[in-house]
Amino acid sequence: SQQGEEDPQALSIQEGENATMNCSYKTSINNLQWYRQNSGRGLVHLILIRSNEREKHSGRLRVTLDTSKKSSSLLITASRAADTASYFCATDAKGNNRLAFGKGNQVVVIP
Amino acid sequence: GAVVSQHPSWVICKSGTSVKIECRSLDFQATTMFWYRQFPKKSLMLMATSNEGSKATYEQGVEKDKFLINHASLTLSTLTVTSAHPEDSSFYICSASTPIQGMNTEAFFGQGTRLTVV
Repeated sequence: SQQGEEDPQALSIQEGENATMNCSYKTSINNLQWYRQNSGRGLVHLILIRSNEREKHSGRLRVTLDTSKKSSSLLITASRAADTASYFCATDAKGNNRLAFGKGNQVVVIP
Repeated sequence: GAVVSQHPSWVICKSGTSVKIECRSLDFQATTMFWYRQFPKKSLMLMATSNEGSKATYEQGVEKDKFLINHASLTLSTLTVTSAHPEDSSFYICSASTPIQGMNTEAFFGQGTRLTVV
C-alpha cells in the first residue's frame, strides 16, 4: 500500500512564482524523499530529509518535515518553465527497505 | 549521481508473447533493485524487490509467474512479462539503491519502459 500521499492537486503557476506541494504519510519513517518525473521518463531524485531533520535546502528547493503531523512540504522558489513536471514524495518506512510513493503533484509553469 | 540504464525504452509486442526488460546499474553495485509499474497520471506501484542471488519478493497482488524477475549479478536485474496481454500495457520503471545500515538512501531510476501489447 502507498504510504506517502500528496494532496491530490495540480498546480499551474506563472514563471517566477513559488510552487508549494504537500505530502502526508502514515507510518514512522527513516527518511522522506522528493522526486521529479518528466512525462514518460524515469524519476530524478531531488532531495532527502531524514526523520531527525526539520528543514533542508537544495538550490531553489526547500523541504520541510513535521514528523508529529507526518507531513512534508516541497517549495520551489522562482519557478521556471523547465520545472514543469510531476513531483512525488516517497517514504522509507522503518522496518523495511522499500520506498512507498505518493500520488504525485503535476506542476505546470507558464512562461 | 549513479546511473541506472533500463532497456528497451519502449516495446510493442503481440498478445501472448513474452517481453524482457533489463535494468543495469552502470557505475555501482546494487544488491537490491526495485520494479515499479505506473499507469497514466498515477503514481508508482511497487511490483517486486529484486535481490541479487536470491528470489525476488513480490508485493501482494502481483503474479510472480506472470512477472518473472531475475537478479543474477550485482549490476543487472531483468523483468520478463510472460504471455503478455493488453492489460499488461503500462510504463515499467526500475530503480536501485544501496541501503546503508538498513535505511534507503537516494534511489536511482532507469528511464522506464513503455510496454504496449496489441
